[in-house]
Amino acid sequence: EPEVTQTPSHQVTQMGQEVILRCVPISNHLYFYWYRQILGQKVEFLVSFYNNEISEKSEIFDDQFSVERPDGSNFTLKIRSTKLEDSAMYFCASSGSLSGQPQHFGDGTRLSIL
Amino acid sequence: DQQVKQNSPSLSVQEGRISILNCDYTNSMFDYFLWYKKYPAEGPTFLISISSIKDKNEDGRFTVFLNKSAKHLSLHIVPSQPGDSAVYFCAASGMTTVSWGKLQFGAGTQVVVTP
Repeated sequence: EPEVTQTPSHQVTQMGQEVILRCVPISNHLYFYWYRQILGQKVEFLVSFYNNEISEKSEIFDDQFSVERPDGSNFTLKIRSTKLEDSAMYFCASSGSLSGQPQHFGDGTRLSIL
Repeated sequence: DQQVKQNSPSLSVQEGRISILNCDYTNSMFDYFLWYKKYPAEGPTFLISISSIKDKNEDGRFTVFLNKSAKHLSLHIVPSQPGDSAVYFCAASGMTTVSWGKLQFGAGTQVVVTP
């Protein structure tokens, strides 16, 4: 069964450094998302992406965050200058259509900021 | 943001019996609801969904019920199996609003199926 893959599974970064989290969505999906889950908290929406542009973003997704689909298969989340509070599990998801289609999630990247 | 609530943090059920997980929501604009299962160190796995035009959707051992007037949905798993032990998340979105792709998650319910 097709799946969303994320790399790396664990990223350790010094505070203030840039980090790029990578995702390969399901190949025929058109809609892409990033979520995060801080330890002990709910899964939170960060951003949705369609047709090479951001469709919606949350308040969390400030100027330090950016997303890109650099080629036909990858979808990346960049955090420019990481903060301690960026430590979380980051999940990528994709879906096949706009209405009535579930989002399928990758296994996540655990980001640890030191 | 408490738009989706799962008030039971845990549920223990015997193998073979029914598991019933509950979820409440406050936003009347939500019209698409999903249940995900999550094992440790894995991402959420989609289980079953329901749109607001229905009140029941069934897929094998999993059935989701939606009560729009009460803004309540539930997931029934019958019979429960040891492999069902996981955290279950309820999620909701609005297909007819701008936030079609923005899933709002509940806090999750840890299900333990005992022999």
